[in-house]
Amino acid sequence: QQQVKQSPQSLIVQKGGISIKNCAYENTAFDYFPWYQQFPGKGPALLIAIRPDVSEKKEGRFTISFNKSAKQFSLHIMDSQPGDSATYFCAASKGSGYSTLTFGKGTMLLVSP
Amino acid sequence: GAVVSQHPSWVICKSGTSVKIECRSLDFQATTMFWYRQFPKQSLMLMATSNEGSKATYEQGVEKDKFLINHASLTLSTLTVTSAHPEDSSFYICSARSPGGAGGDTQYFGPGTRLTVL
Repeated sequence: QQQVKQSPQSLIVQKGGISIKNCAYENTAFDYFPWYQQFPGKGPALLIAIRPDVSEKKEGRFTISFNKSAKQFSLHIMDSQPGDSATYFCAASKGSGYSTLTFGKGTMLLVSP
Repeated sequence: GAVVSQHPSWVICKSGTSVKIECRSLDFQATTMFWYRQFPKQSLMLMATSNEGSKATYEQGVEKDKFLINHASLTLSTLTVTSAHPEDSSFYICSARSPGGAGGDTQYFGPGTRLTVL
């Protein structure tokens, strides 16, 4: 059973455009939702994360939108650049301390020049 | 931000040999580290959770006798793939939880180790 479903699987946007990746979760106990960026052959890097007490968080060109009732959250990248081309993973975990991350399957983003 | 290193970055070995991968948190102490494996174009799959000074907790389906994990200090965890076979070829990534991270749940990932078993 996949607890975090991510879509789309791949995405192509033009330079300067907005890319949106979506994730849906099933476990209502999840209370921490990070997004990671991974370049080929590299480890994932934390981009931005949100907790359920807010509906939106913005850091630079990256924005997380969170819909608790729908159990969904999304990552928006504004003014997309070719350097943003990477695979993006959403994840979720419950509680603090020794909780583990449950990852989505990833969205491969290609930003065309 | 917190830095996690892995060594080696890539390794090629013969079938039947053992390979050790090191994971270090460089600028913080990590009581908990995690080991993942990732196949091409797939997501990260958690293999085990490593707690300093105690036995690792393995995920279902992961052979603890094949993937030996040692977390002897607050900055170092090692993964040893014993009697490696070609099907063990994968990208192995560690992460460490930074106690000062957002809500205590921030995991910082290492750069990964590409293992190829011939």
